[in-house]
Amino acid sequence: SQQGEEDPQALSIQEGENATMNCSYKTSINNLQWYRQNSGRGLVHLILIRSNEREKHSGRLRVTLDTSKKSSSLLITASRAADTASYFCATDVTQTGANNLFFGTGTRLTVIP
Amino acid sequence: GAVVSQHPSWVICKSGTSVKIECRSLDFQATTMFWYRQFPKQSLMLMATSNEGSKATYEQGVEKDKFLINHASLTLSTLTVTSAHPEDSSFYICSAKGYQPQHFGDGTRLSIL
Repeated sequence: SQQGEEDPQALSIQEGENATMNCSYKTSINNLQWYRQNSGRGLVHLILIRSNEREKHSGRLRVTLDTSKKSSSLLITASRAADTASYFCATDVTQTGANNLFFGTGTRLTVIP
Repeated sequence: GAVVSQHPSWVICKSGTSVKIECRSLDFQATTMFWYRQFPKQSLMLMATSNEGSKATYEQGVEKDKFLINHASLTLSTLTVTSAHPEDSSFYICSAKGYQPQHFGDGTRLSIL
C-alpha cells in the first residue's frame, strides 16, 4: 500500500502549546499536502510542499519535508481550541498518471481550552 | 477560493435502495474527480478516479457494478450506490482537481438500515 502513516494517532494538548504531527510515506512524490478534517466534515487543504522544498510556513503552520527519510512534519504553534480536528498528510505520487492523493492514517488533535 | 459542493450531506434509507451522490465543482473545471470512502476514525480510501467523458478507474476491491460513477461534465460527477446494504454505510467524500491542490466536498454520510 502507498498509504502513509502518521504519528501520533492522537494528541491532546493545552491551548497555547505547540502541536507536532509526523507523517512517513513509502514512494517518491511530486508533493506532500496537509489537510484538516473536522468531525463529520470534508477535508480542508492547509498547505502543500513540493518535493524540492524543505520547509514552508503559513500563518501558525510550519511544514517540513525530508525526502531522504520520506517524512514530513506539521507544527501548529500557539494552538487554539478551534484547532481541534483530525489532520492528514497526503502524497501526490510520481508513479500514478492521475496524480491521485494517498492519505496518511491521520492524527486526531484535541486542544483543551 | 475553489469550492466543491457535495449533495446530499446525509442519507438514511432502507436496504436495497439505490442512492445517488452528486459532486460539483462550483467555480472551476475539474478534469478529474475522485471518490473516497472513510470509516469512523480512519483515513480516506480512494475508491475510484473519474475523468470527464471517460469510464472511471476503480481501485482494487471496489465493485464497479456496485458503485456506479458518471462524470458527464467538467463540473459534475455522480456516485450511485446500487442496492445499498448496511455494510455500505459509510462516509463518502468526493474531490475535484483542476489545478493543484485537490478540493474536497463536505462528504455524504450514508446510513443503510
